[in-house]
Amino acid sequence: TQLLEQSPQFLSIQEGENLTVYCNSSSVFSSLQWYRQEPGEGPVLLVTVVTGGEVKKLKRLTFQFGDARKDSSLHITAAQPGDTGLYLCASRPGGSYIPTFGRGTSLIVHP
Amino acid sequence: NAGVTQTPKFQVLKTGQSMTLQCAQDMNHNSMYWYRQDPGMGLRLIYYSASEGTTDKGEVPNGYNVSRLNKREFSLRLESAAPSQTSVYFCASSEPTGEGPYGYTFGSGTRLTVV
Repeated sequence: TQLLEQSPQFLSIQEGENLTVYCNSSSVFSSLQWYRQEPGEGPVLLVTVVTGGEVKKLKRLTFQFGDARKDSSLHITAAQPGDTGLYLCASRPGGSYIPTFGRGTSLIVHP
Repeated sequence: NAGVTQTPKFQVLKTGQSMTLQCAQDMNHNSMYWYRQDPGMGLRLIYYSASEGTTDKGEVPNGYNVSRLNKREFSLRLESAAPSQTSVYFCASSEPTGEGPYGYTFGSGTRLTVV
């Protein structure tokens, strides 16, 4: 079973600060997705990365996929209270259509 | 709006009662899933349906049954609820690889308490 380890588990910061959260596995990812889950809602897809070394940007969010495709990071620049939520990474173990989700990083951005 | 609709949003059951959680998607996705989310445990797969007419067990299937009624609808049944089934339940749908433009599309969840 491919386990996805996310760190840190919790993060509490002030508005305007930068932050990085991580997703790691001992296995190679076929592809990796990042989701954000707001309180009381289901997760919503932010991005899918598929190529080792890939960098994608979504406004103030920058996603990196490790060269070896075993790790990924999400960097938020100048965090805002609207960024508050649970950030989940997900991938599919080789040959499976079923995704595995990490346990998430819970982010709180204080105004 | 297009997406995944779950009902009910909240439910309180007594131990031993039964209930069915309903899920419908209008994304024309072939694959559908039921997850439970508990604090510190992340999302755990209960059952999934790769396509209409098929269902398979996930990581935590005990105490649950599912029915893929048609391409749009996938229901989850608790035959005899137990306090350990207190959780938030999410239904999701996707293209077979989950790498479509919306990835795994989730409903807004059912918050179930078993007392």
